[in-house]
Amino acid sequence: KNEVEQSPQNLTAQEGEFITINCSYSVGISALHWLQQHPGGGIVSLFMLSSGKKKHGRLIATINIQEKHSSLHITASHPRDSAVYICAVKETSGSRLTFGEGTQLTVNP
Amino acid sequence: DTEVTQTPKHLVMGMTNKKSLKCEQHMGHRAMYWYKQKAKKPPELMFVYSYEKLSINESVPSRFSPECPNSSLLNLHLHALQPEDSALYLCASSQRSLGVMNTEAFFGQGTRLTVV
Repeated sequence: KNEVEQSPQNLTAQEGEFITINCSYSVGISALHWLQQHPGGGIVSLFMLSSGKKKHGRLIATINIQEKHSSLHITASHPRDSAVYICAVKETSGSRLTFGEGTQLTVNP
Repeated sequence: DTEVTQTPKHLVMGMTNKKSLKCEQHMGHRAMYWYKQKAKKPPELMFVYSYEKLSINESVPSRFSPECPNSSLLNLHLHALQPEDSALYLCASSQRSLGVMNTEAFFGQGTRLTVV
């Protein structure tokens, strides 16, 4: 069992739809990162969370530390949101990021 | 400037070649990382430099040789690679070690390496 699990693995949506990507983890963490990776390869850090909720534009990230679960929401999705979204956690002890397998999001016009 | 810049963007090399990947950041970050990413897989940590000293080597083969000449620059020297080393190589940096609370990692665009 992976320490960080994401669902769904693949997600196809129509432009304008509300999208949710989930991340569950099994270890104690000090921070959780949501990352975006476009087909070109570069990774962009979207959010770093240790509690509560953060919002940036159409993106919202929430985390529930007790339930070891985080969600990334995209409102009014757009084809340019098509990318792989990766959840990564920083364990309480240690200095590494542990990555989920990623969610491939495709938003059709 | 919140960028981590990697060069080159693409590299094709033969198995007998010697090449280097370069990573640069001017955010004053003191921790820098090399990751390897195969297609449709998450990044795998290779090396961590903290204050220009190698702090983590994830049992990476010696044909990969990292170097941190100064706090802004991280190199990965490649020699006698195998075709299975073909991958996207990502560099990242953070203000301090990720072991410190509330430290965010910034990633570069990656170098797509093909070994022929």
